[in-house]
Order: sequence, then C-alpha cells, then structure tokens
Amino acid sequence: AQSVTQPDIHITVSEGASLELRCNYSYGATPYLFWYVQSPGQGLQLLLKYFSGDTLVQGIKGFEAEFKRSQSSFNLRKPSVHWSDAAEYFCAVGAGNTDKLIFGTGTRLQVFP
Amino acid sequence: DAGVIQSPRHEVTEMGQEVTLRCKPISGHNSLFWYRQTMMRGLELLIYFNNNVPIDDSGMPEDRFSAKMPNASFSTLKIQPSEPRDSAVYFCASSPTSGANVLTFGAGSRLTVL
Repeated sequence: AQSVTQPDIHITVSEGASLELRCNYSYGATPYLFWYVQSPGQGLQLLLKYFSGDTLVQGIKGFEAEFKRSQSSFNLRKPSVHWSDAAEYFCAVGAGNTDKLIFGTGTRLQVFP
Repeated sequence: DAGVIQSPRHEVTEMGQEVTLRCKPISGHNSLFWYRQTMMRGLELLIYFNNNVPIDDSGMPEDRFSAKMPNASFSTLKIQPSEPRDSAVYFCASSPTSGANVLTFGAGSRLTVL
C-alpha cells in the first residue's frame, strides 16, 4: 500500500535562509509525487508534481523538488525563504491506475524575520 | 474559473443533528474527492467519485457518513447523526482526468459538533 512520511512536524527558519522539507514514500512502482501548500484557513494549493522524466522538478513560488528513487524520497527545497512562505506543506503520493492521493501528515513552516 | 466551491464554510451544530456539506467541482473535471482533516489524523480520503460513480469509499468512517454525486456539478457529504468526534475540516477536491491525480481543492468546510 502507498504511504508517505514527513519526518519533520515543525520547522523554523529565518527569512532568506535556505529550506529543505523531507518526504519519503512507499510504493511498489514509479509513483506520482506531489507537494501541496496550505495557508491558514485555506485549502491546499499544488506547488509541484513529478510524474516521470527529469527528477528535478520546478514549481511555483520558487520551490523545487528532487525525486530520488534509491532513497524513496521527494524533498522540497527553496534557496531563500520569504516570510510569506510560512504555511503547512504536504507531500502526497498517487498511483497511476487510480485517482487517489495519499497525503503525509504535513510539516508546519515558521519563518522568522 | 471559480475553482472548487464548498458550502457552508463553517457549521456549528449539536450532537445528533444531521449535517450536509456541499461541493461544486470545477466544470469539466470528472473526478471528485472528499477529504477530512484533523490534528490527530491529518488528511484522510473519505471517498472519491469518477464520472459521478463512487469508486472507493473505504475511507468513510461509519454508516453515519454518506456521500452522493447526483450530477457532474454537485456532490454532498452527509453525516447523520453527527457526533463531537466528527468535528474537522472537510475538503472537497476535483481532478480533470482519471489517473492524473492533480487535485484542485476547495477552501474547506469547518464542522464543529457540540
């Protein structure tokens, strides 16, 4: 069965610092991988997705993620964090033969000025 | 495009009452999903539809929960009777193509059962 682990519940960084949010997945075949962001009181917004091809994918708001099959990971990165990036970030995995997405428990990002 | 529209945004009710949450997916999207978000359990998939047909309802917690999609532009999630442990944010999401997995989420319905 598919599963997603986000080991970090809460991360705090200073504005301008680099960011890496960890995500590990479990799936037998090549997964479809996603990162979503949720601002307080809002729904989830898609940041980026990986289906196949180049393992480094670019998303909105300056985010990128790298798929590493050998590590079953899909970590999210941003070289310089802005205060407006403070939110909760969810990694998700989907299978190609269904529409279901399984979400991780999320990582709450706090940004200090 | 107005996005996925959910109503009500907030609902406060008493234990035992019936609750109906509504969702209008994005026009042209043929998959619709209901998720529940709580602090304890995170985001859980309750049920999803494809072309108005329920495909997987294994996440529906109990018989008190039911979902319908009478047409391509409307879905409901009903809880009857409601209990305090049903308090959560319920999200509806839609997807344009079967198997594409790219979900667009609504703003959610925050339910509080007293």
